Amino acid sequence: GAGVSQSPSNKVTEKGKDVELRCDPISGHTALYWYRQRLGQGLEFLIYFQGNSAPDKSGLPSDRFSAERTGESVSTLTIQRTQQEDSAVYLCASSLASVSSSYNEQFFGPGTRLTVL
Amino acid sequence: AQSVTQPDIHITVSEGASLELRCNYSYGATPYLFWYVQSPGQGLQLLLKYFSGDTLVQGIKGFEAEFKRSQSSFNLRKPSVHWSDAAEYFCAVAGGYNKLIFGAGTRLAVHP
Repeated sequence: GAGVSQSPSNKVTEKGKDVELRCDPISGHTALYWYRQRLGQGLEFLIYFQGNSAPDKSGLPSDRFSAERTGESVSTLTIQRTQQEDSAVYLCASSLASVSSSYNEQFFGPGTRLTVL
Repeated sequence: AQSVTQPDIHITVSEGASLELRCNYSYGATPYLFWYVQSPGQGLQLLLKYFSGDTLVQGIKGFEAEFKRSQSSFNLRKPSVHWSDAAEYFCAVAGGYNKLIFGAGTRLAVHP
């Protein structure tokens, strides 16, 4: 079946511009995650959506970052007034519903490489 | 705070040699631990995971890992490396049920 897809695969933008990154999760996956991977570093958690519950935004680095998800479908990550330090690969993952007593595997998309000039 | 440390940034081995990638974690409760591989231009692929039970877990592509609570370690091993194993490897711990905390990664190069 189809995996997690992300678009665009690459995005080059100028400092100060806004960008939108899109994630299409695996059908039936109610949980969706965004991570950021800076060059030479591991992944940093940004935000988590679980169904219609309030998202966990604890990883968002500043108020320039926001994300939306309608129901159990597509999610968009928006970065306003981009800065050079925002350059990174942004990865999306989805999983079956996550509950505190168990863990469901996260499946990752190929990522969007963002370059801010 | 929960954290994962991968002490080796870059490792080079010869094809056919054995491999061990180190991972240490900091987590208060019984951890859920993972190893992922990231090949150039590809997304993250789960190699193996540890939740409970047998401390030696087997994964895909001939990899295994051993959970050692006393050492807070979850090292990845492979008895004989293939050139196709060249990639970046990430160790991760589940920080609660809703997010993964990753180490900085170890880049593996394989010499013919």
